[in-house]
Amino acid sequence: SQQGEEDPQALSIQEGENATMNCSYKTSINNLQWYRQNSGRGLVHLILIRSNEREKHSGRLRVTLDTSKKSSSLLITASRAADTASYFCATPPNSGYALNFGKGTSLLVTP
Amino acid sequence: DAGVIQSPRHEVTEMGQEVTLRCKPISGHDYLFWYRQTMMRGLELLIYFNNNVPIDDSGMPEDRFSAKMPNASFSTLKIQPSEPRDSAVYFCASSFAGESQHFGDGTRLSIL
Repeated sequence: SQQGEEDPQALSIQEGENATMNCSYKTSINNLQWYRQNSGRGLVHLILIRSNEREKHSGRLRVTLDTSKKSSSLLITASRAADTASYFCATPPNSGYALNFGKGTSLLVTP
Repeated sequence: DAGVIQSPRHEVTEMGQEVTLRCKPISGHDYLFWYRQTMMRGLELLIYFNNNVPIDDSGMPEDRFSAKMPNASFSTLKIQPSEPRDSAVYFCASSFAGESQHFGDGTRLSIL
């Protein structure tokens, strides 16, 4: 069953701009993860943020988590054409390890 | 280091045939997951294993689907008999201690 829902479904920006994607979820979580999927490839783990963290950075990525609103956001700064991909948020249930994925945000970065 | 390896990358077969998908997880990982991805339903968990033991198979669509993990370095997902609605991309993923998952590049399955 799907837990996370990403917004927007699609996003088109130019190189150098920032891209922001949002994720909402329904039940309490231990952590929330973001993944990237390039066309025809498997998902690649980007970042994991735990329920007691509010913000986390990794290179050009910044993730925030608001457990009171059950939402998270992924910010990609200074985007590049190579960032073109689908981005998914995923949450494991508190008592397990399998991930529930949203349907993703499709990001297109044009040169 | 080698990532998760899936085979075949593409499979086209006729309805009613048996299909076997294979996965080699990353060495040392103790969790293995099988997912299915379609445009309509997105990514769905089918089954996952911990230390070669199936933990949750509630996502397996029906009895036509079965999965095994005979040892820590190999898993199979079998569909028998296959139907057109099984057409999808099937992913295998592995993780250590159940945290971030490493995905293979998937098997694109087409049932005619």
